[in-house]
Amino acid sequence: LAKTTQPISMDSYEGQEVNITCSHNNIATNDYITWYQQFPSQGPRFIIQGYKTKVTNEVASLFIPADRKSSTLSLPRVSLSDTAVYYCLVGDGHYSSASKIIFGSGTRLSIRP
Amino acid sequence: DSGVTQTPKHLITATGQRVTLRCSPRSGDLSVYWYQQSLDQGLQFLIQYYNGEERAKGNILERFSAQQFPDLHSELNLSSLELGDSALYFCASSVVGGAEAFFGQGTRLTVV
Repeated sequence: LAKTTQPISMDSYEGQEVNITCSHNNIATNDYITWYQQFPSQGPRFIIQGYKTKVTNEVASLFIPADRKSSTLSLPRVSLSDTAVYYCLVGDGHYSSASKIIFGSGTRLSIRP
Repeated sequence: DSGVTQTPKHLITATGQRVTLRCSPRSGDLSVYWYQQSLDQGLQFLIQYYNGEERAKGNILERFSAQQFPDLHSELNLSSLELGDSALYFCASSVVGGAEAFFGQGTRLTVV
């Protein structure tokens, strides 16, 4: 499994765009990149998943450069409710029967008024 | 509501005891995952089942075991409990491995 490195913590203000970058230098050809959000004492919640270039959904965008050695989660116009831990995962076994969804340390994002 | 149901929500037990945590996956999901989250360890992957069979194993102790039944619900059995086993235990499910996983609200286990 490819190891991921992301900042331990980040601070921002309401209404700002927040970009969290994750490094995964040893990503394998068939690995996908997935981001989850977790609030205290709750289970993680899927945010977005991608393989290359750019993926956008109603809550976030995921930017993946051509070499796929890093990825950036972009949260537009954050609010206080976006304060959470954000995990970057690089997984094997995409759409197969066997998969380890391995969480790293995550990035603790704090949004201030 | 993720559609994944975990019971019980809270459990307090004594050291040396055995407990069973239950997970009902989302309808149609064949893959079930178990995780342990304690304050100093983060989210630790324990084990994954797919359609009743064990498919991936993480840092699961020998005192812990799990299974997935024909109706796809899963149980995590924890025995000879120690104080250090106190944690939040999460179950997640997905259609197949690697796809978007949906997490339950967790079972908070306290060993006293």
